[in-house]
Amino acid sequence: DADVTQTPRNRITKTGKRIMLECSQTKGHDRMYWYRQDPGLGLRLIYYSFDVKDINKGEISDGYSVSRQAQAKFSLSLESAIPNQTALYFCATSGETGELFFGEGSRLTVL
Amino acid sequence: KNQVEQSPQSLIILEGKNCTLQCNYTVSPFSNLRWYKQDTGRGPVSLTIMTFSENTKSNGRYTATLDADTKQSSLHITASQLSDSASYICVVSAISGTASKLTFGTGTRLQVTL
Repeated sequence: DADVTQTPRNRITKTGKRIMLECSQTKGHDRMYWYRQDPGLGLRLIYYSFDVKDINKGEISDGYSVSRQAQAKFSLSLESAIPNQTALYFCATSGETGELFFGEGSRLTVL
Repeated sequence: KNQVEQSPQSLIILEGKNCTLQCNYTVSPFSNLRWYKQDTGRGPVSLTIMTFSENTKSNGRYTATLDADTKQSSLHITASQLSDSASYICVVSAISGTASKLTFGTGTRLQVTL
């Protein structure tokens, strides 16, 4: 099984719908992140969490929210999806070394 | 503004050949630089990390170099294989208080052909 698991892997939805992307990890790491990847752009940080009670905005948090339900779980929500949120989303974790361990990605299409 | 620029954007080479990917950065204060490999449809995986005092580091057929004075890094792939086809992402970490801030390059897409 993967150390960082994302669900769903693919999702097509309509403008205005609420979407939740879920992430769970078995690395035992405290730090978890949500990134967005678009063609021609580098990975951009949406939100990050250094422990269960810590939530921080990244560089592109508008239109997104997160919940850290447990050390191993970090979910990303789009309250009202819009087409420019169509992208590949990655969850990641990191430990003491700072190396990022990524999930397999969730491809979201908003029509 | 912290920036990471990678070149070339894409590259096609024949199997067995060598290649070098470049990463230039303007990140300060510098903490470390990592190269990640991202296979199509997969998440990035770390290949190597370079700290300020390191000039070169190898991981199998991958060799990374760092010139902290000119703020340049390269990733050299020796005797390329079809499985090397992927995007290679340079990520530079800046020290920010007790945390580090990462700046990602847009990647070099490498295709290895027969």
